[in-house]
Amino acid sequence: EVQLVESGGGLVQPGGPLRLSCAASGFTFASYWMTWVRQTPGRGLEWVANVDQDGGSKSYVDSVKGRFTISRDNAKSALYLQMNSLRDEDTAVYYCARASSGHVFDYWGQGTLVTVTS
Amino acid sequence: QTVVTQEPSFSVSPGGTITLTCGLTSGSVSTSYYPSWYQQTPGQAPRTLIYNTNTRSSGVPDRFSGSILGNKAALTITGAQADDERDYYCVVYLGRGIWVFGGGTKLTVL
Repeated sequence: EVQLVESGGGLVQPGGPLRLSCAASGFTFASYWMTWVRQTPGRGLEWVANVDQDGGSKSYVDSVKGRFTISRDNAKSALYLQMNSLRDEDTAVYYCARASSGHVFDYWGQGTLVTVTS
Repeated sequence: QTVVTQEPSFSVSPGGTITLTCGLTSGSVSTSYYPSWYQQTPGQAPRTLIYNTNTRSSGVPDRFSGSILGNKAALTITGAQADDERDYYCVVYLGRGIWVFGGGTKLTVL
C-alpha cells in the first residue's frame, strides 16, 4: 500500500526556517517524481515544487523561488522541503504527493500544517 | 502569469448532470496540458478523479468523466449524489515541471 506521511510542520516566526519531511513507503520511491502542494486555510490548492527521480531537476512556483528548496533522499525514501524566510502567506497545510508518468498526482499524504505567526 | 479558472460554486439536483470547467485566462486548455481533476472534502487530502484529460483513476465510478469542451477542460458528473457535495480542483501542466491549480469549485447537491 502506498503511503506518504508528512512531518515537520508547526509554528514559526516570520523570517524563520522550517523543514518538512515526507516519508514514503509501498512503492519504489526512486522511480517517481515527487511534489509538494499547499492549501491555505479555507482556500484552494497551490502547487509549490517538484523534483525528478534523482533530484537533478527541480521546479518551483514563483512565490517560493529563492526561499524554498525541494530535495529527496532515495536511500531513505524521503522527500524534503526546506523553507526559509517564511512569510505570513506561507501559512498552509503542506501535502506531499507522488507524481506518476501520467502527469497526475496519484497519491497524497494527509498534510502537515505550517503556521507563520509572530 | 497563467491563471487557471474554475467556477467558484455550482449547484446540482440529486440525479442531475453537471459539467465543471477549467480554463486559462490566456489561451485554451488542450490535452497537451494534461488536465487532471481532484475531489476534496474539507480537512482531508485530495482524491484523484481524472487525469490526462479523460482517464479515470482507479476506483472512480464512471459517473465521473473528463473531456475537452471548446477551449476548456471539463469534468462531467452524471447522476449526482449527495456524496458528490465536495470541492473540485483542476490542475494543468504548463511544461518545464510547472503545474497550476485552478481556484476550485464548491459543488452543492440539493
